Formats: sequence, C-alpha cells, structure tokens
Amino acid sequence: EPEVTQTPSHQVTQMGQEVILRCVPISNHLYFYWYRQILGQKVEFLVSFYNNEISEKSEIFDDQFSVERPDGSNFTLKIRSTKLEDSAMYFCASRGTGPNYGYTFGSGTRLTVV
Amino acid sequence: GENVEQHPSTLSVQEGDSAVIKCTYSDSASNYFPWYKQELGKGPQLIIDIRSNVGEKKDQRIAVTLNKTAKHFSLHITETQPEDSAVYFCAATPSDYKLSFGAGTTVTVRA
Repeated sequence: EPEVTQTPSHQVTQMGQEVILRCVPISNHLYFYWYRQILGQKVEFLVSFYNNEISEKSEIFDDQFSVERPDGSNFTLKIRSTKLEDSAMYFCASRGTGPNYGYTFGSGTRLTVV
Repeated sequence: GENVEQHPSTLSVQEGDSAVIKCTYSDSASNYFPWYKQELGKGPQLIIDIRSNVGEKKDQRIAVTLNKTAKHFSLHITETQPEDSAVYFCAATPSDYKLSFGAGTTVTVRA
C-alpha cells in the first residue's frame, strides 16, 4: 500500500524559530495538502497545492507559512517564526485522480513550540 | 465555506453491536464524502468514501449512506470488534482543493 511519509515525527522548537516540515507524497498523486490538528480538536485545512502553485489556503495560512515542492518527490511546509499557538500535529496528504481519488494522509509531525 | 457537523462526540458500544455516526454538511455543492479512522498518534486513515451520485456504499462491516436532499451522511459499523475503537472523522468537499472535517467521534467497543 503506497504511503505518505512525513519527517520528523516530532519537532520541538523555540518560539520565533523557523521550522520546516517535510513530506514525501505518493508518487503518482498530483494534489498535495497540509492540515493541522490541535490536541483534541478537529483536523483543519491549511493549504492545497496543485500544478506547482497554491490552489487554496485557509485563514490560518498567513504570511508566516509557505509551501514548496523543491523537487519531484518532496513537499515542505515552512513556518518562518513559530508561535506557541502553532503547536499542533501537522498532517501532509496527497490525492490522486480517477479511481485513486481518495486523500491519503501521512502519520504527522508533532510540532511543539516552547 | 463548507461546515460539517458530526454526532455523537463519543459512542460506547458492546462488542458485536452496531455503531452509527451521523454528519450533516452545509454546502449543497459538496460531492465527495470520506470517512477516516484515526488511532492514537497516527494520521487519519481512509476507511470508506462515497460520491454524490451514489446513495449507499458498503465494504464488509462498514457502510455509508448519503442523503443529498437532507444534506446528511452516516457511517454504519456492524458486528463491532475491539479493534474498531478509535476516533472517526467524517469530511466533505465541493472541490478538489479542500476537505472540511467534522469534529470527530470517539468510539469505544466494550469487550
């Protein structure tokens, strides 16, 4: 079964520092996403990426956030200056088309900002 | 935007009994409705999904029903087993670019 791989599984960072969360989507998928889940709350949409550009973003995804697909396999989320409230589980997802339409989520990166 | 409501927030069932989780959505343009199972420390795992041109779909012990007129859809798990204990999320989307989740249901199957 193809998987979405996320690294690291856990990241602790000081407030104000930059972090980069990494994801390797499923190879033949064309749509890529980042979601986050604050402990005990629902999964929230952050951003979607298609055809090498952002296709939609939420209010959460402000100027402190950016995404990049630097090569043919990786998809990254950068938070430029982390805040305490950025502490959450961040999930990468990818989606295919046609019979492979379903979103596949990675296991997540737990980000703790101290 | 799409708003998905999910009930109940917790559900405790005896092993072998059925579990039903219900969701409503707000955007009549939504056309894709997946259900996810999330175990502790893991990402959401797709367990079943349904498109708006289908009213019901079944996969072994799991079934999903969709009522587009009433804008609600439900997950049914029959013959529950202890390994069905997890948090279940419904979701809906009218587009390719964004999935809106419900708040989740914590299901506990009592042995």
